[in-house]
Amino acid sequence: GAVVSQHPSWVICKSGTSVKIECRSLDFQATTMFWYRQFPKQSLMLMATSNEGSKATYEQGVEKDKFLINHASLTLSTLTVTSAHPEDSSFYICSAMGLTNNEQFFGPGTRLTVL
Amino acid sequence: SQQGEEDPQALSIQEGENATMNCSYKTSINNLQWYRQNSGRGLVHLILIRSNEREKHSGRLRVTLDTSKKSSSLLITASRAADTASYFCATRVNDYKLSFGAGTTVTVRA
Repeated sequence: GAVVSQHPSWVICKSGTSVKIECRSLDFQATTMFWYRQFPKQSLMLMATSNEGSKATYEQGVEKDKFLINHASLTLSTLTVTSAHPEDSSFYICSAMGLTNNEQFFGPGTRLTVL
Repeated sequence: SQQGEEDPQALSIQEGENATMNCSYKTSINNLQWYRQNSGRGLVHLILIRSNEREKHSGRLRVTLDTSKKSSSLLITASRAADTASYFCATRVNDYKLSFGAGTTVTVRA
């Protein structure tokens, strides 16, 4: 099956720093990738939809200047949490949608802890 | 926005028993999908049921869909310890976005 990787799998950073999370589709091309956020014992909330070569579409309430998304190629999307604060601590999950069908394949997630 | 509601929130069963969880949604859908998430991990796609289907099976999984009631159920038969996880339903409306339910945490006791 299609494989999506995320790097890093976990990161701890100090308040005020920026953190970049990568999402890669390893064996297929993805024109569209999605970024989700999940708080403990809660569901996934869609943050933004990332399309290769164009600006990301953010969901209501998600600050685009705080969560910078870049989808530079058909296999890579990055999420940068800028000036991270403790309330940004969460589990960030990406998914990628293949070119030939609409199925989403999920990455293993990145645990961000901001001290 | 989230449109799925799941119940129960948590379920604890003995190994070998069946586990049933339900999902309700608010708007018309193209399909409904069920995912499993082990603690601290990503999502694993389990099964997809289209809006014109009423029931679907995959191994020990049985999914039903009632579009008139806007609800779906997931049945795991003969549960195993490895089935311990959180289960989420997700609906796709008109575009490619998925909207996830709140999830049901299943614990299978040995």
